[in-house]
Amino acid sequence: GAGVSQSPSNKVTEKGKDVELRCDPISGHTALYWYRQSLGQGLEFLIYFQGNSAPDKSGLPSDRFSAERTGGSVSTLTIQRTQQEDSAVYLCASSLGPTSGPYEQYFGPGTRLTVT
Amino acid sequence: QQPVQSPQAVILREGEDAVINCSSSKALYSVHWYRQKHGEAPVFLMILLKGGEQKGHEKISASFNEKKQQSSLYLTASQLSYSGTYFCGTRSQGAQKLVFGQGTRLTINP
Repeated sequence: GAGVSQSPSNKVTEKGKDVELRCDPISGHTALYWYRQSLGQGLEFLIYFQGNSAPDKSGLPSDRFSAERTGGSVSTLTIQRTQQEDSAVYLCASSLGPTSGPYEQYFGPGTRLTVT
Repeated sequence: QQPVQSPQAVILREGEDAVINCSSSKALYSVHWYRQKHGEAPVFLMILLKGGEQKGHEKISASFNEKKQQSSLYLTASQLSYSGTYFCGTRSQGAQKLVFGQGTRLTINP
């Protein structure tokens, strides 16, 4: 079956503009995660969804960042008034169940965001 | 609190062994190991749950020492395909998110 897909694969935007990043998880996966990876750095947790609700939003860096998930499937990460420090690869992952279980996370290919 | 991985980088010749460590200051419930090749998404290797178990995947195995809040990834008789950056992700009890270390870059030369 299909893996996790993300779109767009690359996004170049001007400082101050809003962007939307999309994630299509693996069908049937109830848990969905967003991470950010800056060049040469580790994975920074942003937000976790279980179904359509987000029990952990603790990683969102500022109120310019928001995310939603609809129908227990597709998720959108929105960054308003983008800043240059937002430039990074945004990775989405999904898993069969919550992190509390022995479920591996499957990662998408990521969206490379460049803010000029 | 981000786990600390060591070493930050290691260079091996094909066939040599390596150990990558992941330490946390928090009580851990599970440790997840991933490998990421340049320009690609991280790929799952294994999960170790609280209980000190050891797991294996081909010639890659790992252990989890609850008392020390530390996990180690062992790569034996390394192959060229093992090159990449290895990340540990740790989960504390009661938490749902994984907190990842900064990664260990492994280079295998022929």
